[in-house]
Amino acid sequence: KQEVTQIPAALSVPEGENLVLNCSFTDSAIYNLQWFRQDPGKGLTSLLLIQSSQREQTSGRLNASLDKSSGRSTLYIAASQPGDSATYLCAVSMDSNYQLIWGAGTKLIIKP
Amino acid sequence: KAGVTQTPRYLIKTRGQQVTLSCSPISGHRSVSWYQQTPGQGLQFLFEYFSETQRNKGNFPGRFSGRQFSNSRSEMNVSTLELGDSALYLCASSLDLFGGGPYEQYFGPGTRLTVT
Repeated sequence: KQEVTQIPAALSVPEGENLVLNCSFTDSAIYNLQWFRQDPGKGLTSLLLIQSSQREQTSGRLNASLDKSSGRSTLYIAASQPGDSATYLCAVSMDSNYQLIWGAGTKLIIKP
Repeated sequence: KAGVTQTPRYLIKTRGQQVTLSCSPISGHRSVSWYQQTPGQGLQFLFEYFSETQRNKGNFPGRFSGRQFSNSRSEMNVSTLELGDSALYLCASSLDLFGGGPYEQYFGPGTRLTVT
């Protein structure tokens, strides 16, 4: 059974710092991995999707990497801003199944 | 292009009642998935529909059901509500032109259901 873990559960850093969020999964036979952000009381915003054959994806200040063999993904945020404060979630899909299996999220606070 | 919309945004129901939630996917998207989010269990998959057919189902009791219409709009229904059904219900859509995938999922703002 696939399990997705995100560490740390919470992170507080000063504005301007570069930071890394971690996501690990127990079964390496994933189809893809997605990173989302969720603002309090809101829905989910898709940030990056990495297919199982890819090593990384970039969008603006965000870079996500994937190492299937070790069961890990990282989300790198460059030059953090207070607007980046949110909960970041990673989720994996297995085979051709739309069922996303979720981590519990990392709550990120960027201090001005 | 409009995003995924969900109605209603907030709902208060009493134990034992039933409720229907609605989701309109992004135009052209054919796959619609539903998720439940609670503080204790996090995000859990309910079911996914494609071309009016349920393709995948999560581990929820039969009180939770759904359907998809020919225009890809979807509804989910919860019968005989329990206090534990209080949650944020999220809908996601995906392009999936040819029935393959899974492709990137785009989420709506959710419906906050409170059961008293």
